[in-house]
Amino acid sequence: AQSVTQLDSQVPVFEEAPVELRCNYSSSVSVYLFWYVQYPNQGLQLLLKYLSGSTLVKGINGFEAEFNKSQTSFHLRKPSVHISDTAEYFCAVSDLTNAGGTSYGKLTFGQGTILTVHP
Amino acid sequence: DGGITQSPKYLFRKEGQNVTLSCEQNLNHDAMYWYRQDPGQGLRLIYYSQIVNDFQKGDIAEGYSVSREKKESFPLTVTSAQKNPTAFYLCASSISGYSTEAFFGQGTRLTVV
Repeated sequence: AQSVTQLDSQVPVFEEAPVELRCNYSSSVSVYLFWYVQYPNQGLQLLLKYLSGSTLVKGINGFEAEFNKSQTSFHLRKPSVHISDTAEYFCAVSDLTNAGGTSYGKLTFGQGTILTVHP
Repeated sequence: DGGITQSPKYLFRKEGQNVTLSCEQNLNHDAMYWYRQDPGQGLRLIYYSQIVNDFQKGDIAEGYSVSREKKESFPLTVTSAQKNPTAFYLCASSISGYSTEAFFGQGTRLTVV
């Protein structure tokens, strides 16, 4: 079974500083990778996704992530954060899973990283 | 606007009562999902449905039930058999069961007292 590890449960950072949120996954086979953001008491919004192609993926709000197959990592970065980036971030991995005789794309989530941007 | 609507946003119930959470989507997506979120545990899959009139158990289905009578609707019932039902519940959908990009609703926070 897939597993996703977000190495930091909380990341405090000052405004305009760079930030990296780390994510490692377990599978060595082809997977799809995602980062989602969640603001308090809201649903998840897709930040970016890696399906294939270039290993550097750009997303919304100035975020980017780099897929590293040899290290099974998909770290999220932003060169300069804003107060409004304060939220919880989830890394997710998807692959095809068989259940009940059919295949479906199953998302496995990490535990989340709370990013707090201080003025 | 297309999207996923969950209602209500907040729900309070007494212990021992069943409660049903609503999820409606107008994205014309075939697949729908229910997740449970607890602090520090990420999201865990409760049930999913790839097509109408079909659904499968996820990782933590015990104490929950679902139905998929219409493409746009996927209600979740939290039964009295669920030992610790207080949580944040998220509904999601994707174009198909093979699609890996999920779109999420705004969630329902259930508190059982």
